Amino acid sequence: DAGVTQSPTHLIKTRGQQVTLRCSPKSGHDTVSWYQQALGQGPQFIFQYYEEEERQRGNFPDRFSGHQFPNYSSELNVNALLLGDSALYLCASSLVGESPLHFGNGTRLTVT
Amino acid sequence: AQRVTQPEKLLSVFKGAPVELKCNYSYSGSPELFWYVQYSRQRLQLLLRHISRESIKGFTADLNKGETSFHLKKPFAQEEDSAMYYCALSGAETSYDKVIFGPGTSLSVIP
Repeated sequence: DAGVTQSPTHLIKTRGQQVTLRCSPKSGHDTVSWYQQALGQGPQFIFQYYEEEERQRGNFPDRFSGHQFPNYSSELNVNALLLGDSALYLCASSLVGESPLHFGNGTRLTVT
Repeated sequence: AQRVTQPEKLLSVFKGAPVELKCNYSYSGSPELFWYVQYSRQRLQLLLRHISRESIKGFTADLNKGETSFHLKKPFAQEEDSAMYYCALSGAETSYDKVIFGPGTSLSVIP
């Protein structure tokens, strides 16, 4: 079992651009959550997807959007990138209603 | 408001010494508490959760509802314990699948 996998590992974008990050959940899991971890801080909840719909959302602007596919994989999209969006983006998977116990290695996004 | 605080950003202890990483929380209901660990160049992983009452890698944590604390303890620190530790919570009020993390404590075990 590969566990939670994320791609790409690293990404460099310019302010104003758009970015898409990808996540494949652990086998058997149906729910994907996305977190943003800024340097020196704990992960902050962005949103969660279940049955291809956004199930709940943290305190992030609409520039952050997502999608879940029928195979449970998920994408995180960020539009109009700001310098402050530079962070490690973590994906976690779980079964619906359970706390996420399995995280991916993350995607390091740098906005210049 | 639901919140997790970890007062120490950095904690250094000598190998073989006891270690305690502090965690306090505020939550309006009955939370589920976790400790996550991130070793260098590895993914964030669950260390332990209070409902399982397990001891993982020699670490234990007791939920003290009166003091709203969930401190992580180990009697004898090992060099391989050096890592970033995050206390976290979830619960019915925020939905069990939304985890709120603290800012983390970096533990350094000195040989």
